[in-house]
Amino acid sequence: GESVGLHLPTLSVQEGDNSIINCAYSNSASDYFIWYKQESGKGPQFIIDIRSNMDKRQGQRVTVLLNKTVKHLSLQIAATQPGDSAVYFCAERPQPDSGGSNYKLTFGKGTLLTVNP
Amino acid sequence: EAGVTQSPTHLIKTRGQQATLRCSPISGHTSVYWYQQALGLGLQFLLWYDEGEERNRGNFPPRFSGRQFPNYSSELNVNALELEDSALYLCASSLQGDEQFFGPGTRLTVL
Repeated sequence: GESVGLHLPTLSVQEGDNSIINCAYSNSASDYFIWYKQESGKGPQFIIDIRSNMDKRQGQRVTVLLNKTVKHLSLQIAATQPGDSAVYFCAERPQPDSGGSNYKLTFGKGTLLTVNP
Repeated sequence: EAGVTQSPTHLIKTRGQQATLRCSPISGHTSVYWYQQALGLGLQFLLWYDEGEERNRGNFPPRFSGRQFPNYSSELNVNALELEDSALYLCASSLQGDEQFFGPGTRLTVL
């Protein structure tokens, strides 16, 4: 079936370095992608999103890149800080049908980012 | 502005019992989503409610059910609990198909 997956289950970086977290998706009908950050004991927190008509979107210290040709999504975090340590999930959503019944998100398993001081 | 709230924070039940989890969405949001996050796994979509109606359902047995009230708050009910139902249950709310905001979750433990 359709799925969203992550290339790396864990990523360890030094404070101040840039981090790149990758995600592959298989549903070519997906038109909306989101990155969430989940700290221990908390619910997922929205980081940044991108629609399929874009290939890049920037936020504060974060950039999401979308390559529809190879169905690949990445999250870049600049100058990674200890507070960035968390599990990062990518999620995708297919284009809603006329009844709007496709608003559910499909999540990948997550990548654990550890930032070493 | 208050975020999504869930209660209880923790819930301990035994096999065969029933569990009720509650969620209050962000004010103005009409959609509520329920997800199950088992240990070491990603989030699995359970249910989506919008304007009081069930709009979509994930691949879970019928003993997982819920409802949305006129004030848009929601309940998730799990009947005949099994050990593998132990998980973090997350609720999210949105304004229809827009960005989903998550609550802190309810940790359900089935003994």
